[in-house]
Amino acid sequence: AQSVTQLDSHVSVSEGTPVLLRCNYSSSYSPSLFWYVQHPNKGLQLLLKYTSAATLVKGINGFEAEFKKSETSFHLTKPSAHMSDAAEYFCVVSPKFSGGYNKLIFGAGTRLAVHP
Amino acid sequence: NAGVTQTPKFRILKIGQSMTLQCTQDMNHNYMYWYRQDPGMGLKLIYYSVGAGITDKGEVPNGYNVSRSTTEDFPLRLELAAPSQTSVYFCASKGPEDTQYFGPGTRLTVL
Repeated sequence: AQSVTQLDSHVSVSEGTPVLLRCNYSSSYSPSLFWYVQHPNKGLQLLLKYTSAATLVKGINGFEAEFKKSETSFHLTKPSAHMSDAAEYFCVVSPKFSGGYNKLIFGAGTRLAVHP
Repeated sequence: NAGVTQTPKFRILKIGQSMTLQCTQDMNHNYMYWYRQDPGMGLKLIYYSVGAGITDKGEVPNGYNVSRSTTEDFPLRLELAAPSQTSVYFCASKGPEDTQYFGPGTRLTVL
């Protein structure tokens, strides 16, 4: 069965320090992987996606993620946190051959807090 | 190009009332979805549609109905609202490379 595990429910960093949000997935076939961000009381915004091209994926706002098949991981990183990065982040997997409707499986989310 | 739009933004219902959540996309996407997000959780799929006239159930369809008469619109109907349906509802459509684009959400409270 396909699943997504976000290893930290809360991450707290100081402004200007690196961000690491961890995500592991389980999928029978090489999936598509996404990171979405949700600011308070807002909808979900796509940060970046992996769809079987380059394993290091660059997204918006300085975020990037690396697909590691051997570790079944897709961790999200940013070199220097900004106050505006404080939000909820969701790791999402779309398994291949998901029945034709592009099923998305969401992780439980990681809440990122950024302190001055 | 507005993307995915949803109305209303907020709504309070009494138990047993009905309502329709509206969703419209202007990207000419065939696939559309309805999700609910409960506090502290990821999104769960309620219903989806692969094109006008074609809909199917997702993970949590009970208490909801959908229709898809046009490519642009995908309304979600709640009949006999219950407190368990208090949630935030998101509509999405699928573009290239399996990427789903989400609307801003409707926050629904059932009292």
